[in-house]
Amino acid sequence: DVKVTQSSRYLVKRTGEKVFLECVQDMDHENMFWYRQDPGLGLRLIYFSYDVKMKEKGDIPEGYSVSREKKERFSLILESASTNQTSMYLCASSPSGTSSYEQYFGPGTRLTVT
Amino acid sequence: GNSVTQMEGPVTLSEEAFLTINCTYTATGYPSLFWYVQYPGEGLQLLLKATKADDKGSNKGFEATYRKETTSFHLEKGSVQVSDSAVYFCALWNTGNQFYFGTGTSLTVIP
Repeated sequence: DVKVTQSSRYLVKRTGEKVFLECVQDMDHENMFWYRQDPGLGLRLIYFSYDVKMKEKGDIPEGYSVSREKKERFSLILESASTNQTSMYLCASSPSGTSSYEQYFGPGTRLTVT
Repeated sequence: GNSVTQMEGPVTLSEEAFLTINCTYTATGYPSLFWYVQYPGEGLQLLLKATKADDKGSNKGFEATYRKETTSFHLEKGSVQVSDSAVYFCALWNTGNQFYFGTGTSLTVIP
C-alpha cells in the first residue's frame, strides 16, 4: 500500500512563528502536492512539485513556500504564521505519466495559529 | 477554466436509503472525473473514477457516470450504510497535473 505520512496530526503555533509541515511518501512518486482544506471551500492547491528541487505554484501560494530536496519528502513552510492560515493541510503524491491523476493522500495536519 | 460544483450538505439519510450527490463541472478539453471520500479523522481516499465520456466508475456499491452532454458526474448508491458516513468530494483532473475539487458534501447515515 502507498503510504503518505505527515509529521503531525495536530499543531498549535503562535502568530509570527515559522512553521514546517513535513510530508513523506514511500512509493517513489514523482509528483507531490500540498492542499489546504477549509469548510465550504473544499481543497485548494497551495504548491506542487513534479521532481526534486522543482516546484509550481497552485491557486493559493501566498504566505507559503515549499522545499523538495529528496524525492520522498515535500515540506510546506509558513514563513510567518498568521491566524488566517489556521486550517487542515493535506499532502498528496502521485506517479508521473498516464497514472498521474491517482493521488494518494496523507491523514492531514490540523494547524491552529493563535 | 476548470471548476467543480457539488451539492451543498449536510445530507442525513436513514440506513438503506438511496443516495444521490450531484456534481457538475466546467472544463476545457477532456478531463477525468473522480469521487473521493474522507472518513472522520482521515485523509482523502479515491472512491471511483471515470476517464472519458460515458464511462461508469463503481466501487463499494457507489456508482457515477461521466455525462459530457450535461457536464455531470453524480454519485449514487442504492442502499447506504452507517459506515458510509463521511465527506464526499467530486474532483476533476485536467492537463497540468492539477486537481480541481468541489467543496465536499457531508453525509450522515443514521441507523
